[in-house]
Amino acid sequence: AQTVTQSQPEMSVQEAETVTLSCTYDTSENNYYLFWYKQPPSRQMILVIRQEAYKQQNATENRFSVNFQKAAKSFSLKISDSQLGDTAMYFCAFPYNQGGKLIFGQGTELSVKP
Amino acid sequence: DTAVSQTPKYLVTQMGNDKSIKCEQNLGHDTMYWYKQDSKKFLKIMFSYNNKELIINETVPNRFSPKSPDKAHLNLHINSLELGDSAVYFCASSRGGPSEQYFGPGTRLTVT
Repeated sequence: AQTVTQSQPEMSVQEAETVTLSCTYDTSENNYYLFWYKQPPSRQMILVIRQEAYKQQNATENRFSVNFQKAAKSFSLKISDSQLGDTAMYFCAFPYNQGGKLIFGQGTELSVKP
Repeated sequence: DTAVSQTPKYLVTQMGNDKSIKCEQNLGHDTMYWYKQDSKKFLKIMFSYNNKELIINETVPNRFSPKSPDKAHLNLHINSLELGDSAVYFCASSRGGPSEQYFGPGTRLTVT
Protein backbone atom coordinates (compact mmCIF):
# COMPACT_ATOMS: atom_id res chain seq x y z
CA ALA A 1 0.00 0.00 0.00
CA GLN A 2 1.12 3.51 -0.72
CA THR A 3 2.25 5.55 2.27
CA VAL A 4 3.40 9.13 2.68
CA THR A 5 5.54 10.28 5.61
CA GLN A 6 6.38 13.80 6.76
CA SER A 7 8.78 13.54 9.67
CA GLN A 8 8.80 17.22 10.69
CA PRO A 9 5.60 18.10 12.58
CA GLU A 10 6.70 21.74 13.05
CA MET A 11 9.27 24.05 11.55
CA SER A 12 10.03 27.74 11.76
CA VAL A 13 12.03 30.08 9.57
CA GLN A 14 12.93 33.74 9.57
CA GLU A 15 11.37 35.94 6.94
CA ALA A 16 13.43 36.08 3.71
CA GLU A 17 15.31 32.87 4.52
CA THR A 18 15.03 29.45 2.89
CA VAL A 19 13.41 26.39 4.39
CA THR A 20 13.07 22.79 3.21
CA LEU A 21 10.19 20.49 4.16
CA SER A 22 10.76 16.74 3.87
CA CYS A 23 8.51 14.03 2.49
CA THR A 24 9.12 10.36 1.78
CA TYR A 25 6.71 7.93 0.20
CA ASP A 26 6.41 4.30 -0.67
CA THR A 27 4.89 2.90 -3.85
CA SER A 28 5.38 0.06 -6.28
CA GLU A 29 4.14 2.16 -9.20
CA ASN A 30 6.60 3.51 -11.74
CA ASN A 31 4.64 6.41 -13.23
CA TYR A 32 2.90 8.68 -10.78
CA TYR A 33 2.47 12.24 -9.58
CA LEU A 34 3.30 13.95 -6.32
CA PHE A 35 1.83 17.14 -4.89
CA TRP A 36 2.44 19.66 -2.16
CA TYR A 37 -0.62 21.39 -0.73
CA LYS A 38 -0.68 24.38 1.59
CA GLN A 39 -3.37 24.94 4.24
CA PRO A 40 -3.17 28.43 5.80
CA PRO A 41 -5.20 29.36 8.89
CA SER A 42 -8.12 30.13 6.57
CA ARG A 43 -8.43 26.33 6.17
CA GLN A 44 -8.44 26.44 2.37
CA MET A 45 -6.37 23.68 0.70
CA ILE A 46 -4.18 25.22 -2.00
CA LEU A 47 -2.09 23.31 -4.53
CA VAL A 48 1.49 24.59 -4.33
CA ILE A 49 3.37 22.42 -6.80
CA ARG A 50 3.20 19.11 -8.65
CA GLN A 51 5.85 16.70 -9.90
CA GLU A 52 5.48 13.98 -12.51
CA ALA A 53 7.64 10.99 -11.72
CA TYR A 54 8.71 10.40 -15.33
CA LYS A 55 10.20 13.90 -15.51
CA GLN A 56 13.76 14.11 -14.28
CA GLN A 57 13.63 17.88 -13.97
CA ASN A 58 12.53 19.18 -10.58
CA ALA A 59 9.34 21.26 -10.65
CA THR A 60 9.51 24.97 -9.82
CA GLU A 61 6.78 27.52 -9.15
CA ASN A 62 8.19 30.95 -8.36
CA ARG A 63 9.70 30.71 -4.84
CA PHE A 64 8.68 27.07 -4.47
CA SER A 65 10.73 24.19 -5.83
CA VAL A 66 11.04 20.49 -5.18
CA ASN A 67 13.92 18.09 -4.83
CA PHE A 68 12.56 14.86 -6.28
CA GLN A 69 14.71 11.77 -5.74
CA LYS A 70 12.81 8.90 -7.35
CA ALA A 71 15.16 6.11 -6.30
CA ALA A 72 15.14 7.30 -2.69
CA LYS A 73 11.37 7.99 -2.86
CA SER A 74 11.93 11.45 -1.50
CA PHE A 75 10.02 14.60 -2.44
CA SER A 76 11.07 17.68 -0.46
CA LEU A 77 9.72 21.21 -0.84
CA LYS A 78 12.03 24.21 -0.75
CA ILE A 79 10.62 27.65 -0.06
CA SER A 80 12.99 30.51 -0.91
CA ASP A 81 12.71 34.07 0.37
CA SER A 82 10.09 33.01 2.94
CA GLN A 83 7.23 35.43 3.47
CA LEU A 84 4.84 35.85 6.38
CA GLY A 85 2.04 34.61 4.13
CA ASP A 86 3.81 31.27 3.79
CA THR A 87 2.82 30.46 7.37
CA ALA A 88 0.62 27.39 6.97
CA MET A 89 0.33 23.64 7.28
CA TYR A 90 2.00 21.91 4.33
CA PHE A 91 0.91 18.49 3.13
CA CYS A 92 2.71 16.14 0.79
CA ALA A 93 0.23 14.03 -1.21
CA PHE A 94 0.34 10.98 -3.49
CA PRO A 95 -2.56 10.19 -5.84
CA TYR A 96 -3.50 6.63 -6.64
CA ASN A 97 -3.48 6.02 -10.38
CA GLN A 98 -6.77 4.13 -10.04
CA GLY A 99 -9.50 6.45 -8.82
CA GLY A 100 -7.08 9.23 -8.00
CA LYS A 101 -7.66 9.34 -4.25
CA LEU A 102 -4.98 11.35 -2.47
CA ILE A 103 -2.89 9.82 0.28
CA PHE A 104 -1.65 12.63 2.51
CA GLY A 105 1.30 12.88 4.84
CA GLN A 106 0.80 13.97 8.42
CA GLY A 107 1.61 17.59 7.58
CA THR A 108 4.32 20.06 8.60
CA GLU A 109 3.28 23.24 10.36
CA LEU A 110 5.51 26.05 9.11
CA SER A 111 5.81 29.36 10.93
CA VAL A 112 7.53 32.28 9.23
CA LYS A 113 8.79 34.77 11.80
CA PRO A 114 9.39 38.48 11.14
CA ASP B 1 -16.04 32.53 -9.86
CA THR B 2 -15.61 30.05 -6.99
CA ALA B 3 -14.28 26.80 -8.45
CA VAL B 4 -15.41 24.40 -5.70
CA SER B 5 -17.98 25.60 -3.20
CA GLN B 6 -19.42 23.97 -0.11
CA THR B 7 -22.34 24.88 2.08
CA PRO B 8 -22.51 25.41 4.94
CA LYS B 9 -19.01 26.41 6.07
CA TYR B 10 -19.92 25.84 9.72
CA LEU B 11 -22.41 23.37 11.12
CA VAL B 12 -23.16 22.92 14.81
CA THR B 13 -25.68 20.25 15.74
CA GLN B 14 -26.61 17.82 18.45
CA MET B 15 -25.96 14.11 18.66
CA GLY B 16 -28.55 12.01 16.89
CA ASN B 17 -29.48 14.64 14.31
CA ASP B 18 -29.26 14.20 10.53
CA LYS B 19 -27.43 16.79 8.45
CA SER B 20 -26.28 17.39 4.88
CA ILE B 21 -23.33 19.18 3.31
CA LYS B 22 -23.55 20.32 -0.29
CA CYS B 23 -20.74 20.64 -2.79
CA GLU B 24 -20.66 22.12 -6.28
CA GLN B 25 -17.84 22.57 -8.79
CA ASN B 26 -17.83 24.70 -11.93
CA LEU B 27 -14.53 23.40 -13.33
CA GLY B 28 -16.12 20.85 -15.65
CA HIS B 29 -14.38 18.02 -13.80
CA ASP B 30 -15.64 14.44 -13.98
CA THR B 31 -14.52 13.29 -10.56
CA MET B 32 -15.44 14.54 -7.11
CA TYR B 33 -14.31 13.52 -3.63
CA TRP B 34 -15.09 13.85 0.06
CA TYR B 35 -12.24 13.99 2.58
CA LYS B 36 -12.35 14.17 6.35
CA GLN B 37 -9.79 16.18 8.34
CA ASP B 38 -9.62 15.22 12.00
CA SER B 39 -8.57 17.27 15.00
CA LYS B 40 -4.90 16.44 14.35
CA LYS B 41 -5.24 17.82 10.81
CA PHE B 42 -4.92 14.37 9.24
CA LEU B 43 -6.74 14.13 5.89
CA LYS B 44 -8.36 10.92 4.73
CA ILE B 45 -10.45 10.03 1.69
CA MET B 46 -14.05 9.03 2.31
CA PHE B 47 -15.71 8.76 -1.10
CA SER B 48 -15.12 9.43 -4.76
CA TYR B 49 -17.57 9.74 -7.65
CA ASN B 50 -16.83 9.73 -11.34
CA ASN B 51 -19.63 10.93 -13.64
CA LYS B 52 -22.18 10.34 -10.88
CA GLU B 53 -20.96 6.82 -10.16
CA LEU B 54 -19.39 5.79 -6.86
CA ILE B 55 -15.83 4.57 -7.45
CA ILE B 56 -14.23 4.81 -4.01
CA ASN B 57 -15.92 4.00 -0.73
CA GLU B 58 -13.39 3.79 2.07
CA THR B 59 -14.24 2.26 5.42
CA VAL B 60 -16.88 4.79 6.37
CA PRO B 61 -19.90 4.07 8.61
CA ASN B 62 -23.19 3.48 6.79
CA ARG B 63 -24.50 6.62 8.45
CA PHE B 64 -22.59 8.56 5.79
CA SER B 65 -24.25 8.55 2.38
CA PRO B 66 -22.95 10.51 -0.58
CA LYS B 67 -25.24 11.47 -3.43
CA SER B 68 -24.31 12.85 -6.83
CA PRO B 69 -27.31 14.23 -8.75
CA ASP B 70 -25.03 15.28 -11.62
CA LYS B 71 -21.31 15.44 -12.21
CA ALA B 72 -21.06 19.00 -10.89
CA HIS B 73 -22.58 18.19 -7.51
CA LEU B 74 -21.66 15.80 -4.71
CA ASN B 75 -23.56 16.01 -1.45
CA LEU B 76 -22.86 14.25 1.84
CA HIS B 77 -25.68 13.21 4.13
CA ILE B 78 -24.94 12.07 7.66
CA ASN B 79 -27.51 10.25 9.80
CA SER B 80 -27.57 9.90 13.58
CA LEU B 81 -24.61 12.18 14.17
CA GLU B 82 -22.09 11.16 16.83
CA LEU B 83 -19.51 13.16 18.78
CA GLY B 84 -16.73 11.47 16.78
CA ASP B 85 -18.10 12.89 13.54
CA SER B 86 -16.84 16.32 14.57
CA ALA B 87 -14.24 17.27 11.95
CA VAL B 88 -13.68 19.40 8.88
CA TYR B 89 -15.11 17.88 5.71
CA PHE B 90 -13.62 18.84 2.37
CA CYS B 91 -15.07 18.38 -1.06
CA ALA B 92 -12.65 18.26 -4.01
CA SER B 93 -12.77 17.74 -7.76
CA SER B 94 -10.37 16.71 -10.50
CA ARG B 95 -10.20 15.57 -14.13
CA GLY B 96 -9.89 12.05 -12.80
CA GLY B 97 -7.05 9.62 -12.29
CA PRO B 98 -3.93 10.94 -10.61
CA SER B 99 -4.44 14.59 -11.65
CA GLU B 100 -4.37 17.44 -9.14
CA GLN B 101 -7.45 18.04 -7.04
CA TYR B 102 -9.09 21.36 -6.25
CA PHE B 103 -10.64 21.72 -2.84
CA GLY B 104 -13.64 23.52 -1.47
CA PRO B 105 -13.33 25.77 1.60
CA GLY B 106 -14.29 22.96 3.97
CA THR B 107 -17.21 22.52 6.36
CA ARG B 108 -16.43 22.49 10.06
CA LEU B 109 -18.91 20.13 11.68
CA THR B 110 -19.28 20.26 15.46
CA VAL B 111 -21.47 17.69 17.16
CA THR B 112 -22.45 18.48 20.76
